[in-house]
Amino acid sequence: AQSVAQPEDQVNVAEGNPLTVKCTYSVSGNPYLFWYVQYPNRGLQFLLKYITGDNLVKGSYGFEAEFNKSQTSFHLKKPSALVSDSALYFCAVRVPAENTDKLIFGTGTRLQVFP
Amino acid sequence: DSGVTQTPKHLITATGQRVTLRCSPRSGDLSVYWYQQSLDQGLQFLIQYYNGEERAKGNILERFSAQQFPDLHSELNLSSLELGDSALYFCASTRGGRELYNEQFFGPGTRLTVL
Repeated sequence: AQSVAQPEDQVNVAEGNPLTVKCTYSVSGNPYLFWYVQYPNRGLQFLLKYITGDNLVKGSYGFEAEFNKSQTSFHLKKPSALVSDSALYFCAVRVPAENTDKLIFGTGTRLQVFP
Repeated sequence: DSGVTQTPKHLITATGQRVTLRCSPRSGDLSVYWYQQSLDQGLQFLIQYYNGEERAKGNILERFSAQQFPDLHSELNLSSLELGDSALYFCASTRGGRELYNEQFFGPGTRLTVL
């Protein structure tokens, strides 16, 4: 079965430090990968996606993610964290080979950035 | 603001009752997706409609049903409600077609509480 794993329920980082939120996937075929962020009492907001091409993709609010096919990972990164980055982050995958639009989400990682 | 609207924002009802959640997609989007977010199940895909037709089904209970109308808004009907149906219900939209590389845009969600 296709799945996405976010191994950390919570990540704590000090403001100004780099942050990484981990995501690994298990799918058959080549995946399309997405990161979304959810602020309290809000819907999910799209951050970035990997479809093909350059393994390093840049997205909104200074976030970037690196696709690693051999490690089946798509970790979210930011060089310098802000307190306002504190939110719930979801990794998601779509499997084009299945010809379905649905997104399979990870369980989410809560990012807490301390001043 | 994603351009996807959902009503109502909050809904409190009793077990055994029936409710209807409404979603209006972004202007021009033909596909609508419904997701359920709960603490124990995470973010689960329920169902997708494209231009009025059901396109994909996920973990949707038989007590739940959905439809998409000619003006492209969608409704999710939940009946014989149980305590475990308490969750956040999200609607998302995309342009549609088979452009699987497109990200989905999420509404703010409807928080359903079943007492």
